[in-house]
Amino acid sequence: SQQGEEDPQALSIQEGENATMNCSYKTSINNLQWYRQNSGRGLVHLILIRSNEREKHSGRLRVTLDTSKKSSSLLITASRAADTASYFCATDAGGTSYGKLTFGQGTILTVHP
Amino acid sequence: SAVISQKPSRDICQRGTSLTIQCQVDSQVTMMFWYRQQPGQSLTLIATANQGSEATYESGFVIDKFPISRPNLTFSTLTVSNMSPEDSSIYLCSVEIWDSAYNEQFFGPGTRLTVL
Repeated sequence: SQQGEEDPQALSIQEGENATMNCSYKTSINNLQWYRQNSGRGLVHLILIRSNEREKHSGRLRVTLDTSKKSSSLLITASRAADTASYFCATDAGGTSYGKLTFGQGTILTVHP
Repeated sequence: SAVISQKPSRDICQRGTSLTIQCQVDSQVTMMFWYRQQPGQSLTLIATANQGSEATYESGFVIDKFPISRPNLTFSTLTVSNMSPEDSSIYLCSVEIWDSAYNEQFFGPGTRLTVL
């Protein structure tokens, strides 16, 4: 079952601005991964954060994880028109569900040039 | 990371027919997964395919409708059987790669299926 909830569902910003997307989940996790999808194509893996980590950076991406609140956020700094895409969080609960990802509903990001 | 290809990239099929989707990986992997993404929706896991064993299906998905093969460590197929318009979706395979103790999942480009 889908346990991830993302907000906002849609986000529209100007180039150069920062974009923040949030993800909440319901059960304990082993790790949380963020993906980007352009126009219904395949998913591009952005970043993975493990349950014992609180923050990770990768280029213009910053991901935080708060396991006490069962939430994560993805920050894209200095956005570009090419960042326009759908962004999904996905949780891996580990244990017997190891490797099985549960996806959030996604945030549609539009960056206007 | 891993390079994953899928065939076909898209297809338009008639109701009642079947379509087999292929997934090829450029390295040997233990676990492969098949997901479905219905129009405007998120991804839902269909099944896990491990080489040498029967695929395990998630709730709501059955082998008769979505038979899966995993003949070796680099290849898998998913068949969508007796299709109806409700099967119109993007079907994606994914693999899990261990890299310095990180188990990241990488996805293929997807197969866009339209059933008339």
